[in-house]
Amino acid sequence: AQRVTQPEKLLSVFKGAPVELKCNYSYSGSPELFWYVQYSRQRLQLLLRHISRESIKGFTADLNKGETSFHLKKPFAQEEDSAMYYCALATNAGKSTFGDGTTLTVKP
Amino acid sequence: ETGVTQSPTHLIKTRGQQVTLRCSSQSGHNTVSWYQQALGQGPQFIFQYYREEENGRGNFPPRFSGLQFPNYSSELNVNALELDDSALYLCASSPGDGPDQETQYFGPGTRLLVL
Repeated sequence: AQRVTQPEKLLSVFKGAPVELKCNYSYSGSPELFWYVQYSRQRLQLLLRHISRESIKGFTADLNKGETSFHLKKPFAQEEDSAMYYCALATNAGKSTFGDGTTLTVKP
Repeated sequence: ETGVTQSPTHLIKTRGQQVTLRCSSQSGHNTVSWYQQALGQGPQFIFQYYREEENGRGNFPPRFSGLQFPNYSSELNVNALELDDSALYLCASSPGDGPDQETQYFGPGTRLLVL
């Protein structure tokens, strides 16, 4: 069975501080991993996916297969980063699993 | 390019009734997934349709069923509603083919309340 765990329900940092949102997964095959973000009063949207290995809005995430983790990082948090973040895993069997999300608050 | 739309936005039903929720996929997408999101939890995968066929299913009972139409719009049907079915129902479409095939584009959701 596949599972995604986001251990922090809430995370609060000051503007300009580094931020790391943790994501651990369990899946026996080769997963495709994503971070989705939901800003206030907006719909869920893709932030980044591990396969593209790109930086979006200053965020990066590296897939660590040894530790089965896909943590999201940003060196200098901005107030506009305040949102709910979901880590998700997709398989080629057409099934997706989401974590329960981390609410990030960036304080001025 | 039109995004994913869902209807209705809100719905109130009573226990035992049946409900149909609708989703219009983003243009060019042949895959749609449905999720149930209870308060304080992440989206729970119900099932996925690819080119009108069910392509994957989560741990939901058979009273949750779906359809995908030739134009790739979709329906989620829930029979014999229970109080625990109260949740936000999200629809997400994805290209289904090509390098971006698994990236999902979400609709705004339908909030269902079962009394």
